[in-house]
Amino acid sequence: DAGVIQSPRHEVTEMGQEVTLRCKPISGHDYLFWYRQTMMRGLELLIYFNNNVPIDDSGMPEDRFSAKMPNASFSTLKIQPSEPRDSAVYFCASSHPPSDSPLHFGNGTRLTVT
Amino acid sequence: DAKTTQPNSMESNEEEPVHLPCNHSTISGTDYIHWYRQLPSQGPEYVIHGLTSNVNNRMASLAIAEDRKSSTLILHRATLRDAAVYYCIRYNFNKFYFGSGTKLNVKP
Repeated sequence: DAGVIQSPRHEVTEMGQEVTLRCKPISGHDYLFWYRQTMMRGLELLIYFNNNVPIDDSGMPEDRFSAKMPNASFSTLKIQPSEPRDSAVYFCASSHPPSDSPLHFGNGTRLTVT
Repeated sequence: DAKTTQPNSMESNEEEPVHLPCNHSTISGTDYIHWYRQLPSQGPEYVIHGLTSNVNNRMASLAIAEDRKSSTLILHRATLRDAAVYYCIRYNFNKFYFGSGTKLNVKP
């Protein structure tokens, strides 16, 4: 089991550029979550999917953020245009029905927007 | 409010037990209590979870109060590798709400 795989590990971009973060969940997991972590706000849930369908995106900060899950093995989080305040570590996590099974996190993507 | 309350930091000596407290006074009857920890530069890692009864696994024990308004994560013998931020999380309607966590420092 390779675990949840995120890419890239680090991303540095200039303000106004489009950024795409990628996630491959653990095979067989039907829930996928995107989190953002900053010193000021801690870990925030942005959006989660069940069986590739977005269920709750109430944590997405604004229209510049979008997430997709075209199939069970791949998800993207896109920021367009990026701003310096988007600088954070973005985590992807997956699980079986999460009430009684743990979340498995990737190692995150550290995004720096200059 | 789905969040939990934990002390900002705690300190322990190596090889001694550690009790990490958490308050979740507004928890509902079907909410599970999960604990995760985060080592530097890594994603959070699952530690243990429970509903009503105390739970044990190879990493830790979870003691849940009878009224379920609080819980305690117990590390039986702290090691230097246990130094991390520990999050107590209330699972609610498919969402895990992370609070600010407790930073555990383990002294040799």
